[in-house]
Amino acid sequence: DAGVTQSPTHLIKTRGQQVTLRCSPKSGHDTVSWYQQALGQGPQFIFQYYEEEERQRGNFPDRFSGHQFPNYSSELNVNALLLGDSALYLCASSLLEREVLTDTQYFGPGTRLTVL
Amino acid sequence: AQKVTQAQTEISVVEKEDVTLDCVYETRDTTYYLFWYKQPPSGELVFLIRRNSFDEQNEISGRYSWNFQKSTSSFNFTITASQVVDSAVYFCALSDPYNTDKLIFGTGTRLQVFP
Repeated sequence: DAGVTQSPTHLIKTRGQQVTLRCSPKSGHDTVSWYQQALGQGPQFIFQYYEEEERQRGNFPDRFSGHQFPNYSSELNVNALLLGDSALYLCASSLLEREVLTDTQYFGPGTRLTVL
Repeated sequence: AQKVTQAQTEISVVEKEDVTLDCVYETRDTTYYLFWYKQPPSGELVFLIRRNSFDEQNEISGRYSWNFQKSTSSFNFTITASQVVDSAVYFCALSDPYNTDKLIFGTGTRLQVFP
């Protein structure tokens, strides 16, 4: 039973560039959330996707956008990268049934993004 | 506003010692969930426990135990007879009552267990 997978593992970009991170949820899960974890800090909620729509969003600018595909996998896009976007980006998945989360949220290993 | 405070930045113990990680939270909600996660060097957050705000019963799972005290807004985590494999960063988190996936994390406590 595959857990949450993310790609790539590491990524190096320069300021102003755009980046796309990918996530495949745990088998049987339909909801994907994204978190940003800066060095030495706790993760911060970016947004959540369910049924291919953004269900909830944290306090992040519009440069951060996402997408969920029919197979429940998800992408996180960040435009106009800033040095401060350097962080570990974590994807998490869960199961939502009739608007009720019925399974523990599982996290992936993350993508380490470095912006130079 | 919701907030989680983990005042202990780093704790070092010798194997077999007991260690308690503190967590204090702030929320105006009457219903909420509290969590503990472990983050080993690999980076993946490992779920340890979820506690409903209406359930103040303490819980024990093997060497792990949790003390939830609503009166002091604390949800402390104790590891008994610590082992080197317990070395990791531990996060306490609080969820939105309507979306338990939307977690507010503390800044974490790094636990180092030496042999």
